[in-house]
Amino acid sequence: GAVVSQHPSRVICKSGTSVKIECRSLDFQATTMFWYRQFPKKSLMLMATSNEGSKATYEQGVEKDKFLINHASLTLSTLTVTSAHPEDSSFYICSAGPARGGETQYFGPGTRLLVL
Amino acid sequence: TQLLEQSPQFLSIQEGENLTVYCNSSSVFSSLQWYRQEPGEGPVLLVTVVTGGEVKKLKRLTFQFGDARKDSSLHITAAQTGDTGLYLCAGDDSWGKLQFGAGTQVVVTP
Repeated sequence: GAVVSQHPSRVICKSGTSVKIECRSLDFQATTMFWYRQFPKKSLMLMATSNEGSKATYEQGVEKDKFLINHASLTLSTLTVTSAHPEDSSFYICSAGPARGGETQYFGPGTRLLVL
Repeated sequence: TQLLEQSPQFLSIQEGENLTVYCNSSSVFSSLQWYRQEPGEGPVLLVTVVTGGEVKKLKRLTFQFGDARKDSSLHITAAQTGDTGLYLCAGDDSWGKLQFGAGTQVVVTP
C-alpha cells in the first residue's frame, strides 16, 4: 500500500523559534497533501490543503503566516511553524492522495511538537 | 461546514463482547471512511464506504453506510484487546477534504 512518512517524528523547540515538518509520499505521487492538527484525546482538525505548485488553501481560523506550507514537488510538502509558542504544541499529521472525490488519502505517522 | 457526530465518545468492554460505534451527520457525503488510531501514531484506514446502504465486512468488523449517505456504523463482534484504539469516522466532501468526527475511544479489557 501507499506509504507516507513524516520527519521529524518528535521535536522540542524553544519559544520564538521556527520548526519545519516534512511530509513525503514514498511510493506514489501526491497532487494534494493535507495538514491536520490533533490535540490530546481530540479528533483531527484540518488546517490546510497543500497543492503541488500552487498556494496552499487554509481553513478558517488558521493563520497562513504562522503555518507556512510549501508543496514544491509531487512527493514532498512542508509545514513550517513560525515563531512557535507553547500553544502551538500539538500533534501534526499530514495525509497525501490524488484528492479526487472518493479517493483514499494516506496518513503519515504524525509529528509531536513541544514548544517550551 | 458538514458536521459529523460520533457516539459514544468512550466505550469500555471486555474481551468477547460486541460493540457498535455510530457516526451521524445532517449532510450527505460522497464517501465515508473509518479509521483506527493508536496513541502517537497517524490514523490507519479501515474501510471506505461509498454507496448508500452499503455493508462491508473486514473480519470481525462490519461497516454500514446509511441509505441516505448521511450516517454510518461500525460493529465489532467478539472484541479483542487488539481492537483498543480511537475510532474515527470521516466524510469526504467530494473535493477530497475530509471532515472528521470527534472519535470514539474503545478500550477492550482482558
